[in-house]
Amino acid sequence: DQQVKQNSPSLSVQEGRISILNCDYTNSMFDYFLWYKKYPAEGPTFLISISSIKDKNEDGRFTVFLNKSAKHLSLHIVPSQPGDSAVYFCAASTNYDKVIFGPGTSLSVIP
Amino acid sequence: GAVVSQHPSWVICKSGTSVKIECRSLDFQATTMFWYRQFPKQSLMLMATSNEGSKATYEQGVEKDKFLINHASLTLSTLTVTSAHPEDSSFYICSARPTWGRADNSPLHFGNGTRLTVT
Repeated sequence: DQQVKQNSPSLSVQEGRISILNCDYTNSMFDYFLWYKKYPAEGPTFLISISSIKDKNEDGRFTVFLNKSAKHLSLHIVPSQPGDSAVYFCAASTNYDKVIFGPGTSLSVIP
Repeated sequence: GAVVSQHPSWVICKSGTSVKIECRSLDFQATTMFWYRQFPKQSLMLMATSNEGSKATYEQGVEKDKFLINHASLTLSTLTVTSAHPEDSSFYICSARPTWGRADNSPLHFGNGTRLTVT
């Protein structure tokens, strides 16, 4: 049973526009959520995180929104740049323990 | 920022041999390290949690006798794939969380992964 879901395997966005990547989770015990960016044959790179006591966290072009009642979070990238093209993984943990990853969304930013 | 070094970055071995992968935290101490495995175009699957000075905790379905984990110091964890077979070919990635402060200030940092090919 997949605890972290990313229902869009891929997303294409024009350069300069907003990219919105969505993530849903089923485990209500998750209290810490993270987004990672990954290129092929490399390890994931941490982007941004949010704890369950918050509903928004912003860092430069990246903003993560958390809707606990809907068990949904999203990553907004604005403006999108071609260098943002990568696979984005949503991840979650309980009590800052092991981190469970979603299946990933491949983002393509078109110049 | 926190750096995790993983070695080797790729390895090719013959079926039946064992392969050791090292994971080092270069500028921080990590009581806990995690080992993940990624198949092509799939997500990162947690294999085990490596605890310094104690036995690793394996996820359901992961053979502990096949994937030996040793976490001998606060900066080094090793994963040994014993008697490797072609189906063990995969991308193995380690991660570590600094043992300081609150966890929301210290997310998991990942190594660059090891591509294992068993022939």
